[in-house]
Amino acid sequence: DAGVTQSPTHLIKTRGQQVTLRCSPKSGHDTVSWYQQALGQGPQFIFQYYEEEERQRGNFPDRFSGHQFPNYSSELNVNALLLGDSALYLCASTIGDRGNQPQHFGDGTRLSIL
Amino acid sequence: KNEVEQSPQNLTAQEGEFITINCSYSVGISALHWLQQHPGGGIVSLFMLSSGKKKHGRLIATINIQEKHSSLHITASHPRDSAVYICAVRFGTGANNLFFGTGTRLTVIP
Repeated sequence: DAGVTQSPTHLIKTRGQQVTLRCSPKSGHDTVSWYQQALGQGPQFIFQYYEEEERQRGNFPDRFSGHQFPNYSSELNVNALLLGDSALYLCASTIGDRGNQPQHFGDGTRLSIL
Repeated sequence: KNEVEQSPQNLTAQEGEFITINCSYSVGISALHWLQQHPGGGIVSLFMLSSGKKKHGRLIATINIQEKHSSLHITASHPRDSAVYICAVRFGTGANNLFFGTGTRLTVIP
C-alpha cells in the first residue's frame, strides 16, 4: 500500500522561472493539502484540494496555484519564482474535507532558487 | 490570532531518559496532531487527539482542552528517537488546514 509520493525529490530553479510539483495521495485518500516549510520553521499551509476544487487557502500569493485530477493526484505550480520560495514543499493526503481524519505526509520536494 | 507554541526548541537527552515536549495554543481547537520529522524532511503522523490521552508503544500524548496544552512523552528514549517533533492544530470546526508549531529538535545520546 503506497503512501503519499511526491516528485521530484529535489529541484533547482532560478529567479523568475516557473515550477510544477506533483503529489500522489495515499491509496483511498481523496483530499490533498500542500505546505511550505522554510528552513528551521514549521510548515505553513498553502491550500487544500477536494473534489478537484481548491477548498481552502492560506496566506500565499496568486503565484501559487494548484490542481487536482480525477484520480485525486495534485500539482502545485509556482510562477515568477523568488529567492524566498526556496523551501521544502510537503504534500499531505487524507479522507474527506472535514478535518476529522489523520493526515499522511509525503517526503517533500526540496526546491532551491538561485 | 491562531498561534501554536512549542517548548523546548532543542532537547538533548541520554539514552533511557523520560522526555516531555510541550505544546500550547491560543484559541479553541478541534484536533491536535503530533508529528515526527526526520532529517531529509519526511513527516510521520504520531497521534491525532481531541481529548484525553493516547499511547502507542513508548510514546504517550496528552491534551488538556481547558488549559489549551498538550504534551508528548517518550519513555525509555533511544537514539533512533532523535528527530524534530512538531505539534499541529486544527482550529475550530470550519477550517480543515493545520497550523504548525516550529518543532522541538530532540537528540538522544547513546
